[in-house]
Amino acid sequence: GQQLNQSPQSMFIQEGEDVSMNCTSSSIFNTWLWYKQDPGEGPVLLIALYKAGELTSNGRLTAQFGITRKDSFLNISASIPSDVGIYFCAVANAGGTSYGKLTFGQGTILTVHP
Amino acid sequence: NAGVTQTPKFRVLKTGQSMTLLCAQDMNHEYMYWYRQDPGMGLRLIHYSVGEGTTAKGEVPDGYNVSRLKKQNFLLGLESAAPSQTSVYFCASSYGLAAYEQYFGPGTRLTVT
Repeated sequence: GQQLNQSPQSMFIQEGEDVSMNCTSSSIFNTWLWYKQDPGEGPVLLIALYKAGELTSNGRLTAQFGITRKDSFLNISASIPSDVGIYFCAVANAGGTSYGKLTFGQGTILTVHP
Repeated sequence: NAGVTQTPKFRVLKTGQSMTLLCAQDMNHEYMYWYRQDPGMGLRLIHYSVGEGTTAKGEVPDGYNVSRLKKQNFLLGLESAAPSQTSVYFCASSYGLAAYEQYFGPGTRLTVT
């Protein structure tokens, strides 16, 4: 069944605002990733987190891997219209025979009003 | 460098028909994956491959078969399509040492009537 819960399910913000979204799990995972899907396209990797407590930035994006290994957040600063899309968290327990198998959350839909 | 490509982009099938979706990557990636995306459910792994000639089941493999005869290609087959297989299908690939950092194709939208 669905192990990941992303919140909020959707967000409507004004251009220039900061955005924060969350992903929580009932199980521990040692690998957390954030992907973005533009309308009509495939997901693109934004940030990969491999260490509990790790805080990583990629331009205006910042993501943290929770110390309990059961959650992660993604922040976007100073949003722009091209930030529109669906943001997915994905998790795995790396190692052994995991072979890149990911479990995705249901996504957070972001709409940015100019 | 085209990355990951998928054909066709759209397809409509009648119940019981068969079809094959083709995925190709030009990045020399060892691993390849097939996912399906349904509204409100994120992406779910159907099958995956860790190398030429090898395939394995993912989370939702029933009703699908796959083959990886060449390293750059990964085929997804539906032998007898059902309306429950109406979905958007995505192929992805990755290096073995960075398996979770996957590159996705543009998707195939399949409707089964």
